[in-house]
Amino acid sequence: DGGITQSPKYLFRKEGQNVTLSCEQNLNHDAMYWYRQDPGQGLRLIYYSQIVNDFQKGDIAEGYSVSREKKESFPLTVTSAQKNPTAFYLCASSISSGSSYEQYFGPGTRLTVT
Amino acid sequence: KQEVTQIPAALSVPEGENLVLNCSFTDSAIYNLQWFRQDPGKGLTSLLLIQSSQREQTSGRLNASLDKSSGRSTLYIAASQPGDSATYLCAVKRRRDNYGQNFVFGPGTRLSVLP
Repeated sequence: DGGITQSPKYLFRKEGQNVTLSCEQNLNHDAMYWYRQDPGQGLRLIYYSQIVNDFQKGDIAEGYSVSREKKESFPLTVTSAQKNPTAFYLCASSISSGSSYEQYFGPGTRLTVT
Repeated sequence: KQEVTQIPAALSVPEGENLVLNCSFTDSAIYNLQWFRQDPGKGLTSLLLIQSSQREQTSGRLNASLDKSSGRSTLYIAASQPGDSATYLCAVKRRRDNYGQNFVFGPGTRLSVLP
């Protein structure tokens, strides 16, 4: 089945530690995205990538880093510089041409930092 | 700057009712508008995508309309069921980007359908 997988589902870390969230897709989509969701708020874009080896900062990129070495994979690292890292993180993908731009989402990773 | 709002923030209805969820956006220069459903602790599931040249899309009991000139979209749910209980989010794909494909999401409407 085609889709997006995120792992782990739940992640716990101590303050000051970096942590990497995994996102893999087999939809053959060029574009991939990372969003953060906090209670009562809409999704906010952290980083996005249109093609391999290229990515751009979104609205709240400070304290995060990404890589895009393969089309299928777009891991997100939450660094110790992120002041409020506890949140629900969602990965998405879409085609990157044409006029549709329909987004597909993974199941999410809930990160708790204490 | 594109801003997306959704009204109401929460809605509770008895089973069987028809209902309308609203989504408003400030910049009419969009590629498309997408409606999603999110269950608690889960990812988003795409319900309907309306391209900027379209007026509406239908899927089963769901019908979404788009009025770009007024910056509004509605999601109509017919004959609601308890299984429809979830948060419904809308998102627009901005047309005016320097680079890339930024989507702007609304905060969602939390729907409860009571048996």
